[in-house]
Amino acid sequence: SQKIEQNSEALNIQEGKTATLTCNYTNYSPAYLQWYRQDPGRGPVFLLLIRENEKEKRKERLKVTFDTTLKQSLFHITASQPADSATYLCALEGSNDYKLSFGAGTTVTVRA
Amino acid sequence: SAVISQKPSRDICQRGTSLTIQCQVDSQVTMMFWYRQQPGQSLTLIATANQGSEATYESGFVIDKFPISRPNLTFSTLTVSNMSPEDSSIYLCSVERADTQYFGPGTRLTVL
Repeated sequence: SQKIEQNSEALNIQEGKTATLTCNYTNYSPAYLQWYRQDPGRGPVFLLLIRENEKEKRKERLKVTFDTTLKQSLFHITASQPADSATYLCALEGSNDYKLSFGAGTTVTVRA
Repeated sequence: SAVISQKPSRDICQRGTSLTIQCQVDSQVTMMFWYRQQPGQSLTLIATANQGSEATYESGFVIDKFPISRPNLTFSTLTVSNMSPEDSSIYLCSVERADTQYFGPGTRLTVL
């Protein structure tokens, strides 16, 4: 069956450090992979999309890598700030349909 | 981008009753999606709503329990019928635009 797995434990880091989140998947052939941020009581907000033929993508302090051989994406928040504290979700859309499937998310807390 | 609003933002309901959640998008879209997010869990797709046709439900979700309307290209409703405490969740609508999903703020439902 298809699975999307993210770091199961919450991540607590010191301000200024880099947070690295992992998203592993099985039995998917994704056309692309997305990362979302979700704050408590709010809907997810799109951050980055990386396609199957892309290795790395950056947006400001965010960096995403995508290894289709390992079936893994890494999400990095560099120079982290307390405002980065949130739950981060990875999501996959299969190459055969338009539907997004989400991982359970990793909660990041950045300490000042 | 897309701006999505939902009503109500939250509600507390009695077992056995029904609640209709409204979703309004700021521009026309072909498909609208309804998700459920149970406490501490990730998002699960309930159904896809196309204007002018019946909604397509995911495995584990049925029309009698979650009837959906899609009267035009900017609006949809999801009804949670004959509610039980297990239906306590956040319900989110979303739309896709340029490979990105945009989410509404969610409706937090508590069933007593």
